Amino acid sequence: GENVEQHPSTLSVQEGDSAVIKCTYSDSASNYFPWYKQELGKRPQLIIDIRSNVGEKKDQRIAVTLNKTAKHFSLHITETQPEDSAVYFCAASRVLSGGYNKLIFGAGTRLAVHP
Amino acid sequence: NAGVTQTPKFQVLKTGQSMTLQCAQDMNHNSMYWYRQDPGMGLRLIYYSASEGTTDKGEVPNGYNVSRLNKREFSLRLESAAPSQTSVYFCASRPETESPLHFGNGTRLTVT
Repeated sequence: GENVEQHPSTLSVQEGDSAVIKCTYSDSASNYFPWYKQELGKRPQLIIDIRSNVGEKKDQRIAVTLNKTAKHFSLHITETQPEDSAVYFCAASRVLSGGYNKLIFGAGTRLAVHP
Repeated sequence: NAGVTQTPKFQVLKTGQSMTLQCAQDMNHNSMYWYRQDPGMGLRLIYYSASEGTTDKGEVPNGYNVSRLNKREFSLRLESAAPSQTSVYFCASRPETESPLHFGNGTRLTVT
């Protein structure tokens, strides 16, 4: 079945450093890859997404890269700040027969940014 | 515009009790989802509804049932709660394929 693996499970960086989180997926038909940020006790919220026809996307300090051949995608956060501390989830989605679609999540990465 | 609203926010059940988690969205989205979140395991899909009148199993459907009452509402029922169902439950919706999920604030369920 579909599977999304996410690494590392925990990541600790100093303020101002960069952080990179990597995900691999098993279903080659996956075509949509969002990243969510979840602060403690709150709901996941989308921070950036990428579609399969694009290799890279940036939004200020956040960027995502996609390698469809290798079936992996990564989240890059530059100039990290303490407020970036949260759990980050990657996900992969594909359209099933009948037009249905479902999103499979990675297990999450707990990012801690130390002042 | 409230987005996705879940009730209740917290619930404690005894083993064997039943309950229904309610979810409603006011964004006119076609697809709705129920996920459970356990420490170290991310978000796992329980059931989803691609459109009004249809429901399908996700990764972990055992012990749950769902009802897509209308386009706005998608409820999750536990007929006989078990301690293994202690978790945080999130409802979500999205308008179409390849679009972001919008999550509710979650229901924290404890089964003793």
